[in-house]
Amino acid sequence: SAVISQKPSRDICQRGTSLTIQCQVDSQVTMMFWYRQQPGQSLTLIATANQGSEATYESGFVIDKFPISRPNLTFSTLTVSNMSPEDSSIYLCSIQGIAEAFFGQGTRLTVV
Amino acid sequence: GENVEQHPSTLSVQEGDSAVIKCTYSDSASNYFPWYKQELGKRPQLIIDIRSNVGEKKDQRIAVTLNKTAKHFSLHITETQPEDSAVYFCAARAAGNQFYFGTGTSLTVIP
Repeated sequence: SAVISQKPSRDICQRGTSLTIQCQVDSQVTMMFWYRQQPGQSLTLIATANQGSEATYESGFVIDKFPISRPNLTFSTLTVSNMSPEDSSIYLCSIQGIAEAFFGQGTRLTVV
Repeated sequence: GENVEQHPSTLSVQEGDSAVIKCTYSDSASNYFPWYKQELGKRPQLIIDIRSNVGEKKDQRIAVTLNKTAKHFSLHITETQPEDSAVYFCAARAAGNQFYFGTGTSLTVIP
């Protein structure tokens, strides 16, 4: 299975600021996915990031709030912009293996 | 898009008993259904999966069944052990290869 490295692992941020989360994969993948997992909740898909094209966002998520970059087939970033306490969550990047999804270790974000 | 529902949200069983978690999905184009176990503070880990052309799959104490017509699938854990305690998520892979997750079941196995 692929190795997915995500950083930072955690951060505490002031409201109104932005945080960029990085996801590095040790193999080339066509699609990368970003999820949010709020405390005690399920994983909610934010967007799908394809290399060379704009990310596709799920209902309820917009590019201005969660801009995504996908400069190559092994790397992606998710930015959480203009943060508020409601953005406090775990953010996970994910790739698809042969069939199943693999996840990074997650970024635990706390907005104060 | 795909909508996955999962029940129950919490489940407590005595050690040695069986646990059953059920999920439904909405998109008939979904073709792959994994189950993930997530322990506190860790990333989700795949425990078993089933493809849409199979009705049942078993791996030791864990089994999954799929009813494509009814669009529901279930996880069965037999002879539960305390280390089975975790949150379990079902998921469905949509036609665009995105995974949509159920709301999770917090399983507690009581010794």
